[in-house]
Amino acid sequence: KAGVTQTPRYLIKTRGQQVTLSCSPISGHRSVSWYQQTPGQGLQFLFEYFSETQRNKGNFPGRFSGRQFSNSRSEMNVSTLELGDSALYLCASTGRGNTEAFFGQGTRLTVV
Amino acid sequence: AQSVTQLGSHVSVSEGALVLLRCNYSSSVPPYLFWYVQYPNQGLQLLLKYTSAATLVKGINGFEAEFKKSETSFHLTKPSAHMSDAAEYFCAVRRSASYDKVIFGPGTSLSVIP
Repeated sequence: KAGVTQTPRYLIKTRGQQVTLSCSPISGHRSVSWYQQTPGQGLQFLFEYFSETQRNKGNFPGRFSGRQFSNSRSEMNVSTLELGDSALYLCASTGRGNTEAFFGQGTRLTVV
Repeated sequence: AQSVTQLGSHVSVSEGALVLLRCNYSSSVPPYLFWYVQYPNQGLQLLLKYTSAATLVKGINGFEAEFKKSETSFHLTKPSAHMSDAAEYFCAVRRSASYDKVIFGPGTSLSVIP
């Protein structure tokens, strides 16, 4: 069974631009969560989707948004990028009957 | 509200020595608890999980953790450290079985000295 796949692995963007990150969950998993990891703030929860509906949202500004498609793949979008958005963005999926989240390799976003 | 604390942002041990990484949680309901490991530029890999079946949980790579409700702790141990254990370790808590956010501790960086 393939794991959680995140694309791209690395991304460099300019301040003010927008970016879209993609996540393909483990086959059969319907819950997808996104996390931001930075040296200063650690791992912070962004949002969680289940069956195309956002069920949980962390404390991030509206520039951060996401969506989930009918095949459970998810995207997150960050608009008007700021230098402080530079981080490792991790996606995780959870399946029915599981208690743990399975993580992808992450997308390293650098804003210059 | 749930929270997780990890005592010691950095721990150094000698190769072959005991590894002890501390984790304390606060939760209004009996939680699900996890330890994840992260190697540089990688995602998080599950080491072990507590789901109320047994208080002593064994995981991968020789790690184990003991759930102590009275102390609200879930410390991670390994009898003998190996060089390959050097990584970042995160304790995490989840309130419900599947569909709830995972709250992570700040992490502990483990160094293994040859």
